[in-house]
Amino acid sequence: AQTVTQSQPEMSVQEAETVTLSCTYDTSENNYYLFWYKQPPSRQMILVIRQEAYKQQNATENRFSVNFQKAAKSFSLKISDSQLGDTAMYFCAFMTSIASEKLVFGKGMKLTVNP
Amino acid sequence: SQTIHQWPATLVQPVGSPLSLECTVEGTSNPNLYWYRQAAGRGLQLLFYSVGIGQISSEVPQNLSASRPQDRQFILSSKKLLLSDSGFYLCAWSVGSNQPQHFGDGTRLSIL
Repeated sequence: AQTVTQSQPEMSVQEAETVTLSCTYDTSENNYYLFWYKQPPSRQMILVIRQEAYKQQNATENRFSVNFQKAAKSFSLKISDSQLGDTAMYFCAFMTSIASEKLVFGKGMKLTVNP
Repeated sequence: SQTIHQWPATLVQPVGSPLSLECTVEGTSNPNLYWYRQAAGRGLQLLFYSVGIGQISSEVPQNLSASRPQDRQFILSSKKLLLSDSGFYLCAWSVGSNQPQHFGDGTRLSIL
């Protein structure tokens, strides 16, 4: 079975600091895609960043970057210069190239950015 | 640009009543469409997806059904709601397989 684990249910960080959210996954497939989604209190699910497993280079989107360790099946999200608007639930998700329509989500992690 | 609309935002229904949630996408053709459910404190669970008109794949057997009567319209239905159907329902679209999925604002469904 393919699973996604987010072991930290909740974190808080001071504004302008850097925070890392952890995620591990389990799959026997070699080709897959990894995602981080953000769900603010408004409840809309927003794509933050995407990583293809065949790419060795870690994805970066402005203040958001990932540390993808394929051998360890780890996919952590680093948020630099945290802003109050980063307060949200963060979900790690992946899909395999075989089950190419099915996003498997972790349970999520609540991040609070404090002023 | 592409937009996704989902309604209603909130719905309160009695047990045993029918359900119809609608989702439409604008600004793209032949999108893949998805229905997810999010239970309290948990991640999203894929319920149905569609890669074309009239094509529906079910991931989780239950008393819900989905239909795609038009290219950019996806409907989630039930003939008789159960208490366990309460939750937050999200519609999503993508341009194709293995592509990022983009979500609507969701519908909060409460069953009394």
